[in-house]
Amino acid sequence: GENVEQHPSTLSVQEGDSAVIKCTYSDSASNYFPWYKQELGKGPQLIIDIRSNVGEKKDQRIAVTLNKTAKHFSLHITETQPEDSAVYFCAPGGGLTFGKGTHLIIQP
Amino acid sequence: DGGITQSPKYLFRKEGQNVTLSCEQNLNHDAMYWYRQDPGQGLRLIYYSQIVNDFQKGDIAEGYSVSREKKESFPLTVTSAQKNPTAFYLCASSIGPQGEDEQYFGPGTRLTVT
Repeated sequence: GENVEQHPSTLSVQEGDSAVIKCTYSDSASNYFPWYKQELGKGPQLIIDIRSNVGEKKDQRIAVTLNKTAKHFSLHITETQPEDSAVYFCAPGGGLTFGKGTHLIIQP
Repeated sequence: DGGITQSPKYLFRKEGQNVTLSCEQNLNHDAMYWYRQDPGQGLRLIYYSQIVNDFQKGDIAEGYSVSREKKESFPLTVTSAQKNPTAFYLCASSIGPQGEDEQYFGPGTRLTVT
């Protein structure tokens, strides 16, 4: 199965600063790379995804970059806001193996 | 409104009892999944189903059972054989077979066994 590592496990940033979370994976056949956001007591929700034929994708303050050769992809959040505080998960291959999550804390 | 629902939100059981968690979707998705979430462990796959009347074990299937008699329903039974059943359980669905599509998650069921 897929081996997935996600770093860091906790990230604390000042409001307005940027945050970067990295996900490494082992299965070179993976073609779909999503990031999910989970707020306390709720189910995860997709915030951005990328497919293997693209190197970067942006959606307002959120971006995902993919390096298929090195087998990692990253979530970038700029101009962080209090509502960005949550746990973020990667799921390379789109499927059955998720990273262990990154708890993002936005300090006022 | 299309979506995926789980019930109940909170469930309490005595040790030794089987309990069934409900998961229903009206998104017309083929694939459905059950995950268990413990603090610091992320999401771990229990079972998944790509089509009606077929399902596969995930990484932590021991002590759990599922059925997929209808496309829209994928109930999970936590049996008395599950050693540590207290956890947050998440159901999800996706359009096609696992691997290439967004998963839509339900709100979760928090099970407490004492």
